[in-house]
Amino acid sequence: GAVVSQHPSWVICKSGTSVKIECRSLDFQATTMFWYRQFPKQSLMLMATSNEGSKATYEQGVEKDKFLINHASLTLSTLTVTSAHPEDSSFYICSAAQTSGRRGYEQYFGPGTRLTVT
Amino acid sequence: AQSVTQPDIHITVSEGASLELRCNYSYGATPYLFWYVQSPGQGLQLLLKYFSGDTLVQGIKGFEAEFKRSQSSFNLRKPSVHWSDAAEYFCAVGFTGGGNKLTFGTGTQLKVEL
Repeated sequence: GAVVSQHPSWVICKSGTSVKIECRSLDFQATTMFWYRQFPKQSLMLMATSNEGSKATYEQGVEKDKFLINHASLTLSTLTVTSAHPEDSSFYICSAAQTSGRRGYEQYFGPGTRLTVT
Repeated sequence: AQSVTQPDIHITVSEGASLELRCNYSYGATPYLFWYVQSPGQGLQLLLKYFSGDTLVQGIKGFEAEFKRSQSSFNLRKPSVHWSDAAEYFCAVGFTGGGNKLTFGTGTQLKVEL
């Protein structure tokens, strides 16, 4: 149980275009979803937290107009990288929590999306 | 601000040897503690977690971890490492009132020699 999928697993796009990444909880309803960015051989950096039907909460330093997050349902969140540039190339990982309270800290991670901007 | 430290960037052990990966955190509140494993190009898999109660917790794949409040530590152990355990290991900590957010350590890369 507690499976999270991401689509696509990898994507190459041209500079200036936008790309959308989907994150789905397959066998549970996610009260909260999280988006992370991971640079090569580095740790995960939290970008934003999203709850279904609410605006996402972005971490300090993350451009909310560049990284648009939509949490349309309890099983789907999307991250859109707008006007992508080569410096946006990275590994993007989503996670989902199936409850609130202290058990809400237990996050289940998707397999990640490798974005390359040329 | 809370922080999580994994002092060892790289560790190499021989297959069959025991393993201990260190994790320390800094914050005054009661922590919720996690260990995740990541294979190259993959997402993170939860190995084990601690919320309260028994400070020695058992996880998947034969891993265990012990919470020591006095040392602010949550070290991961395995008595006998298998070659398939080679991966990146992340310690993560959450705190009451933290909005369900986790703070991750910088990770420890485990290499297993045959």
